[in-house]
Amino acid sequence: DTAVSQTPKYLVTQMGNDKSIKCEQNLGHDTMYWYKQDSKKFLKIMFSYNNKELIINETVPNRFSPKSPDKAHLNLHINSLELGDSAVYFCASSQDDGRGYTFGSGTRLTVV
Amino acid sequence: GNSVTQMEGPVTLSEEAFLTINCTYTATGYPSLFWYVQYPGEGLQLLLKATKADDKGSNKGFEATYRKETTSFHLEKGSVQVSDSAVYFCALRPSYNTDKLIFGTGTRLQVFP
Repeated sequence: DTAVSQTPKYLVTQMGNDKSIKCEQNLGHDTMYWYKQDSKKFLKIMFSYNNKELIINETVPNRFSPKSPDKAHLNLHINSLELGDSAVYFCASSQDDGRGYTFGSGTRLTVV
Repeated sequence: GNSVTQMEGPVTLSEEAFLTINCTYTATGYPSLFWYVQYPGEGLQLLLKATKADDKGSNKGFEATYRKETTSFHLEKGSVQVSDSAVYFCALRPSYNTDKLIFGTGTRLQVFP
């Protein structure tokens, strides 16, 4: 199946821990993104990579570090997790042709 | 700056009712406009889009017309079904040379039989 897949789907962890979320797309898209969706469903872009290069880096704490080993993967590593990091994180990809994004199914991160 | 404003939800309708979800935007340049739908527990899916003024996007019975004069992109459906219950997001892509999408806050639609 062609898709954007992210793992894990659920992640529960304690404050202070370091965790990673992985994202892979097999659509051949050039650009990948990470979005954060808070408890009120508000979606905010965090990062965008185009062909492994960082394009967008919104005002995100530097505890969040994206890593793109190749254009099909964009992983998100989070250091020293805080309660406020609890949210659903969505990976997405696009082809730079204005057709819009394809989203993954999300990773629900709960920090306790 | 670029922003999207959606009506607050939830919007609660009976099956077969007419749906309108309002969306207005502010943008510099010539944005493209999108509606995405998020079903419970899932990621967002592109529902429809319009790339220039007066374009009408349509899909699955939903329609939205890009109105530059009123800076709006309202989502409509003539007869909703229970299966349309979801959160709907209006979004804009500011210009042709970026793929960054700016989303509205989402509007939850609840359809009852």
